[in-house]
Amino acid sequence: QVQFVQSGAEVRQPGASVKVSCKASGFTFTKHVIHWVRQAPGHRPEWMGWIRPDTGDTLFAQKVQGRVTLTTDTSATTAYMEMMSLTSEDTAVYYCARDVNTIASATSFVWSNWFDAWGQGTLVTVSS
Amino acid sequence: SSELTQDPAVSVALGQTVRITCQGDSLKNFYPTWYQQKPGQAPVLLIFPQNNRASGVPDRFSASGSGEVGFLTITGAQAEDEADYFCNSRDSTEYPVLFGGGTRLTVL
Repeated sequence: QVQFVQSGAEVRQPGASVKVSCKASGFTFTKHVIHWVRQAPGHRPEWMGWIRPDTGDTLFAQKVQGRVTLTTDTSATTAYMEMMSLTSEDTAVYYCARDVNTIASATSFVWSNWFDAWGQGTLVTVSS
Repeated sequence: SSELTQDPAVSVALGQTVRITCQGDSLKNFYPTWYQQKPGQAPVLLIFPQNNRASGVPDRFSASGSGEVGFLTITGAQAEDEADYFCNSRDSTEYPVLFGGGTRLTVL
């Protein structure tokens, strides 16, 4: 079955960076866009961006653009989210999620906001 | 900036029907998608446009809407439906994906 297993909880000081991993299984990794969504305690989910594992193309929310790097290791079917210059406002559970749509080809693809499989989440706490 | 608005909390008697609302300008151009989230768990996809239930989702869940308002309807609510429900949609280049604030459903 489709599954994502994310890395464990992290604690960082303000100004530091963090890298979260997301190991995928049960589907062809290069055929689906991987999204990253975060959710601060008691708040609505916040979409951060996506990456196409087949090409490495990315799209980011303006709020995190320049501070977040998304990468994949296709041989390990793993996606990574790295965030720099952390502040207390970055304290949240970070999720990876799969886009429902299948990537048809390198030049023909549609991405959506329909996320049909999610990782279990990684709590990132930023505190001095 | 655009925003999706939901009622913070709704309650329903066991076996009755409840409708959860999602409102926002982005819904004039994009249908909402609905997710269920239980405490300590990741969101689960319920319904994506147009009124397509995700795999394994009971048929008591359905979606509808018009203009800037979308609805998630649960017909015959069950105790296990007690959860937070979020809508999301596509939007502008600046905010490509929006999430609503969530509705906490209590089944009485």
